[in-house]
Amino acid sequence: GAGVSQSPSNKVTEKGKDVELRCDPISGHTALYWYRQRLGQGLEFLIYFQGNSAPDKSGLPSDRFSAERTGESVSTLTIQRTQQEDSAVYLCASSLGGGGGASNEQFFGPGTRLTVL
Amino acid sequence: GEDVEQSLFLSVREGDSSVINCTYTDSSSTYLYWYKQEPGAGLQLLTYIFSNMDMKQDQRLTVLLNKKDKHLSLRIADTQTGDSAIYFCAERIYSSASKIIFGSGTRLSIRP
Repeated sequence: GAGVSQSPSNKVTEKGKDVELRCDPISGHTALYWYRQRLGQGLEFLIYFQGNSAPDKSGLPSDRFSAERTGESVSTLTIQRTQQEDSAVYLCASSLGGGGGASNEQFFGPGTRLTVL
Repeated sequence: GEDVEQSLFLSVREGDSSVINCTYTDSSSTYLYWYKQEPGAGLQLLTYIFSNMDMKQDQRLTVLLNKKDKHLSLRIADTQTGDSAIYFCAERIYSSASKIIFGSGTRLSIRP
């Protein structure tokens, strides 16, 4: 597709269940980011993948959160034993490469709204 | 520490200029960004400035950077109803190639 896509767009789950969120980056983009956006707040960095390098997991809030990426394509963010505090919009972004500047502009997907009851 | 702060709301009259302000704490910032988020849509990069610049203009948008005060602003000239959105200030810190720190966003509303 032309842009970053995410699925599902909305997910409602019960506390304690596991959820998987999917991100399809723009084809050819080597860098992929996951962010969390709580209601009325800014984006909170979660994890970053760049090519074949080890991912930067420094933003993951707990060991209940994990993410994988298959090569330079699809990524899944998994939240185990969900808690109500996990309710947020989870945004994925991709860029041609890592680092700053216009050439590495991050293109964002529409997000997955997760509600934990 | 790493922190980016913005005021939460701004209301301007259509046709006036909007000025959205942002302060950041990390002096090792390399790039500073302004993103726009419209309802139900993902974030869109509006413009960015490298930390060795103090001003950047792009059509109706003017970005001013005061590195001494760690203050960034976005001016939108001739504000239109289509400019209604949440505007996020963000910084990329030098010590991490990956991490961008976002502010909480400023909701811009336009009065007729």
